[in-house]
Amino acid sequence: SQTIHQWPATLVQPVGSPLSLECTVEGTSNPNLYWYRQAAGRGLQLLFYSVGIGQISSEVPQNLSASRPQDRQFILSSKKLLLSDSGFYLCAWLGSGAETQYFGPGTRLLVL
Amino acid sequence: KNEVEQSPQNLTAQEGEFITINCSYSVGISALHWLQQHPGGGIVSLFMLSSGKKKHGRLIATINIQEKHSSLHITASHPRDSAVYICAVMGTYKYIFGTGTRLKVLA
Repeated sequence: SQTIHQWPATLVQPVGSPLSLECTVEGTSNPNLYWYRQAAGRGLQLLFYSVGIGQISSEVPQNLSASRPQDRQFILSSKKLLLSDSGFYLCAWLGSGAETQYFGPGTRLLVL
Repeated sequence: KNEVEQSPQNLTAQEGEFITINCSYSVGISALHWLQQHPGGGIVSLFMLSSGKKKHGRLIATINIQEKHSSLHITASHPRDSAVYICAVMGTYKYIFGTGTRLKVLA
């Protein structure tokens, strides 16, 4: 069966520090992968999606970047965190039939 | 105006009540999803709809493609149903989300 992992689960970082969040998927190959952010009290916002290795589409201009170095690995990064980067970050993959997305457990990021 | 609108934004109900959450959308879709987000943040998919009606336990979801509207119903609500319910429409490989309905069911 397919499983999606995210780490870390919780992260507290100072403003200006770098960020690396990792997402890996098991049990499937060549998945479409997604990074979402949910700011406090707000809805989910799509940040990036990837249809294959090295292929990244950005949905909104921002302080973050994404990379897909391997088929089942999706990384969210920042060189210098801002206070506004605080939020709950979710990774997801698109299931077969391209109709359902499955979400990881999320990473809660607090930038101080 | 958001492409996916949900109502109400917040809902408090007494245990046992019948609950309805509505979702309207303005874009073409291949499917509509109802998601449930628990207080810890984890998200699970409840239903995927492209037409008609689906039922799973005490949950019922309906969709009217012509009217671009979907409803999620919870029968005999229970405190464990307390969560944020999110409507999401699937376009080309991408979800567009509603802002969610925060449901609290009181014992």
